[in-house]
Amino acid sequence: NAGVTQTPKFQVLKTGQSMTLQCAQDMNHNSMYWYRQDPGMGLRLIYYSASEGTTDKGEVPNGYNVSRLNKREFSLRLESAAPSQTSVYFCASREVDTRGEKLFFGSGTQLSVL
Amino acid sequence: AQSVTQLDSQVPVFEEAPVELRCNYSSSVSVYLFWYVQYPNQGLQLLLKYLSGSTLVKGINGFEAEFNKSQTSFHLRKPSVHISDTAEYFCAVSDGNTGKLIFGQGTTLQVKP
Repeated sequence: NAGVTQTPKFQVLKTGQSMTLQCAQDMNHNSMYWYRQDPGMGLRLIYYSASEGTTDKGEVPNGYNVSRLNKREFSLRLESAAPSQTSVYFCASREVDTRGEKLFFGSGTQLSVL
Repeated sequence: AQSVTQLDSQVPVFEEAPVELRCNYSSSVSVYLFWYVQYPNQGLQLLLKYLSGSTLVKGINGFEAEFNKSQTSFHLRKPSVHISDTAEYFCAVSDGNTGKLIFGQGTTLQVKP
């Protein structure tokens, strides 16, 4: 049981380049999330997907697009990377059951945009 | 719209002393509240959560939090901290309907010997 898997773990881009961060979960969760973590700013929600086929903007969606390809996968795309997008990115999925809810996080992607 | 404010960016404390990390939230709908911990160079781990019922919630590693609806607060407490509690702590609020989960800015707990 792998949980939430993010790739790549590290990436360096030049300004203007594009890339896609991949995320997959094997826990059959409906909801998935993309966050960025910056010093002093905590985790900020970029986009989330409450269920397969739906996506919604979070707190800081500008400069990003997402695709909920199927129930397992939720990718984050940077079309034209900017230095302000240098950050650590976390994907998460949400478990909901009779005991309540809980987020499971991937190990993160450290992205540097030069 | 939901928002979360963690009132202290850093909290230095001596080992075996009590600690309180403060969190206030705002939301127009019923919410679920969480505390997550991030140890150095690691991902986030759930400490505890409030969904309903008793307003005093106990979590892992001796931490507890109290939900106060009138003050819209969810402060985290531990009666006696250890060096190993040094980490960054995040308060979070979830809209129970949409699943949208917002985090606070984080509080760095520095436990000194």
